[in-house]
Formats: sequence, C-alpha cells, structure tokens
Amino acid sequence: DTEVTQTPKHLVMGMTNKKSLKCEQHMGHRAMYWYKQKAKKPPELMFVYSYEKLSINESVPSRFSPECPNSSLLNLHLHALQPEDSALYLCASSQVRTGVAGNTIYFGEGSWLTVV
Amino acid sequence: SQQGEEDPQALSIQEGENATMNCSYKTSINNLQWYRQNSGRGLVHLILIRSNEREKHSGRLRVTLDTSKKSSSLLITASRAADTASYFCATDWIGNNDMRFGAGTRLTVKP
Repeated sequence: DTEVTQTPKHLVMGMTNKKSLKCEQHMGHRAMYWYKQKAKKPPELMFVYSYEKLSINESVPSRFSPECPNSSLLNLHLHALQPEDSALYLCASSQVRTGVAGNTIYFGEGSWLTVV
Repeated sequence: SQQGEEDPQALSIQEGENATMNCSYKTSINNLQWYRQNSGRGLVHLILIRSNEREKHSGRLRVTLDTSKKSSSLLITASRAADTASYFCATDWIGNNDMRFGAGTRLTVKP
C-alpha cells in the first residue's frame, strides 16, 4: 500500500480564519514533506520532517505552521493567510530522507486551498 | 529553489508516437526521479534513477542519466491519449537530501 491521504481535498478560507490541512501515511515512512504548487508551476518544497523532527523550513512565512504529532501524521496549520497563498498543497513521504539512500517519495492527491 | 530545468516546456504528439522529455540540472546529484501529474491531481512516481545508474526501464518508459552532462531524459514509447499530463523531474543533490523539482513538460497526446 503506497498511499498518502490528504484531507480536505478542497478548502476555502477567509484571511482571518484558522484552518488545518491533514496528511496521513501508514507505510512506516519516517520522512514527511509539505510542498506548495501554484498553477502551471512545479511543486516547491516547504517543510521536511525526519523522525518527527522538523529538518527543513524553506523560509516559509510563519502563517504556515507544520506539526508532526506522530510518525504517521503531518499537519499544516494555516492562519492569517493571504490570497496569494491559494495553491495546491501536496503532502509526501519516503522511507527516510532521500540522499544516498535513494528512496522514492510518494505524494498524496493534494489539498486545494483558496484564500478569499 | 528549482534545481532542474526541463525541455521542451510543452510537447504535442499523435497517439502511437514516442515522446522524449529532457531534464538538466546544475549540481551533482544523488538521485533523479520522474513524476507524472494529471491536471489538478497529485504526483505519480514513475522511475527513480541513482547517480551511478545510466538507464532504467519500466514498461513503456525509459529513463537515461548522463552525469557528465548533468542531464536525464524520459522516453515514452507508443504514447496513448491517457499519457497526456505534466511530467516533472526532481533531484536531490550531494549535501542536500531533499527532492526539488524542475519546471516540467506538458505533454499532450492527440487521439
């Protein structure tokens, strides 16, 4: 089972709202990722968790707050977002961070976020 | 930031033809992965090729890697309308363990 599940599939939120995106995998993977993808652009890395610890924050604004409650779950908490944050947010996982181990990264279907 | 650049940006072919997409990158890599993305959907993993490998096959897909030229190509043989999608390469490079994506190629296969 190579499945990464993301909820919700679609989210519309106001600029003053607080919401969360959720991601779950049951493959025993110890690396999890958040990517952001704007229309007609490639995915951009936001955060990397390795063994439930934040390893990489690609200079993401603090209005995005990741959380890894356990090895199967990854959340992205959203607060005071701007309309330009509207995008497809993709969660992914791999056995461990790639590097020389050469691990495949598996992606979920994404959460479409619209900020109004 | 992006590591890879792909060309062409868009490719349109007839069903049954072969499609070749190229990916170039800037720094020495550990691995290169190819993904497909249907419009508005998640990314589907196609092939991973390690820096010490030169060629890999999976069904109608053939990936080559030339580390001396810092480039990779994805060949889809006998294309089908269902192959219509965006194709991305992603690399992690020495000293950086996380995958970053190239700009992608939009492939359209006409029935």
